[in-house]
Amino acid sequence: AQSVSQHNHHVILSEAASLELGCNYSYGGTVNLFWYVQYPGQHLQLLLKYFSGDPLVKGIKGFEAEFIKSKFSFNLRKPSVQWSDTAEYFCAVNAASSARQLTFGSGTQLTVLP
Amino acid sequence: EAGVVQSPRYKIIEKKQPVAFWCNPISGHNTLYWYRQNLGQGPELLIRYENEEAVDDSQLPKDRFSAERLKGVDSTLKIQPAELGDSAVYLCASSLTSGTGPRNTQYFGPGTRLTVL
Repeated sequence: AQSVSQHNHHVILSEAASLELGCNYSYGGTVNLFWYVQYPGQHLQLLLKYFSGDPLVKGIKGFEAEFIKSKFSFNLRKPSVQWSDTAEYFCAVNAASSARQLTFGSGTQLTVLP
Repeated sequence: EAGVVQSPRYKIIEKKQPVAFWCNPISGHNTLYWYRQNLGQGPELLIRYENEEAVDDSQLPKDRFSAERLKGVDSTLKIQPAELGDSAVYLCASSLTSGTGPRNTQYFGPGTRLTVL
């Protein structure tokens, strides 16, 4: 079955550490890729998105993600995390082969220790 | 620009009772989505509207769930009767259009947290 996998359920980092959250998908063909973030008590917010072109996309708050087509991956990165980055992060994929549904991974809870 | 508006934010009901959720999408967004998010999981699509037409309701449990989007703007999702397993956060999202491409970027509302006792 087509799916989106986020390998880490919970990541704990100290401030200033570098972050990489994994996301893999199993869809073939054209895909649109997204990372959403949900801060405590807030709604899902778009962090960044990829449609085409440069596979390295930059989002808000210093986040970036790299689309590696051969690995079916779209990992999220940030060079130096802050306490305010504590949140849950969701990877999502929209694929032409899946009737254009947006399918989410199960999320990664990031806790940044001050 | 106002975001997606949902109400109520929280709802506690007893099983077998009916419940309804309301959503007002971003102005000009033709496509509206309802999702359900269970604890510890990502959102899962229940139904997608293109204007007032439900074009993808394959994940909607039709025996107890219903939805409508009159006039192609606001939408209501209803559960009748509610069961214990319906406890979840119900999210509404909207986009300019569906399909693949930048215009399909979905923006989410705050959700309604439903607790069924």
